[in-house]
Amino acid sequence: DIQLTQSPSFLSASVGDRVTITCRASQGIASYLAWYQQKPGKAPKLLIYSASTLQSGVPSRFRGSGSGAEFTLTISSLQPDDFATYYCQLLNSHPRITFGPGTKVDIK
Amino acid sequence: QLQLQESGPGLVKPSETLSLICTVSGGSISSSSYYWGWIRQPPGKGLEWIGSISYSGNTYYNPSLSSRVTMSVDTSKNQFSLKVPSVTAADTAIYYCARLRGGAAGSDYWGQGALVTVSS
Repeated sequence: DIQLTQSPSFLSASVGDRVTITCRASQGIASYLAWYQQKPGKAPKLLIYSASTLQSGVPSRFRGSGSGAEFTLTISSLQPDDFATYYCQLLNSHPRITFGPGTKVDIK
Repeated sequence: QLQLQESGPGLVKPSETLSLICTVSGGSISSSSYYWGWIRQPPGKGLEWIGSISYSGNTYYNPSLSSRVTMSVDTSKNQFSLKVPSVTAADTAIYYCARLRGGAAGSDYWGQGALVTVSS
């Protein structure tokens, strides 16, 4: 089975910072990756799919990149609404899916 | 606007069966373009995929749960359901239903989540 890891697991940042989260797969998965944002008490929200395609309605400060086994989610200028936990999702065996362990972005 | 809503008991006794229904509104569940999934999240922990089902009833389960989980679909009611027998405290979680788009397109619509607590 393909495993996903995320780094860091926790990061502390300030409003306006550029933030990068990495998701690594244990083997190549082409672009079969999505990114989600989850706030406390809320369902996950789809941000990016196919590794780099912005979901409709998601602000352009979110950017996904990568292919193969290493992927990044970049928030170009962190906003107060962006403090949340971010998960990557493996989709290469759809409709079987796997989530990464998550990265919590907290206020410095 | 598509909406998904989970429903079911919020408290289940150990060794009993957890049963949840996801009702889809604002669109039809009967599309070959989508699968419908259950995902759970234990308190303070990450997301765990439970299983996915098509409108025609094709099912895929997480291998770690496949011996315990059953999903079904009722297209006449625009609903799909989840049953987990013989629950333990480890099954305490928020249970989400979601629409899974094909290929690498991800899950674009989610229910608000239903907290199920396993306790006597």
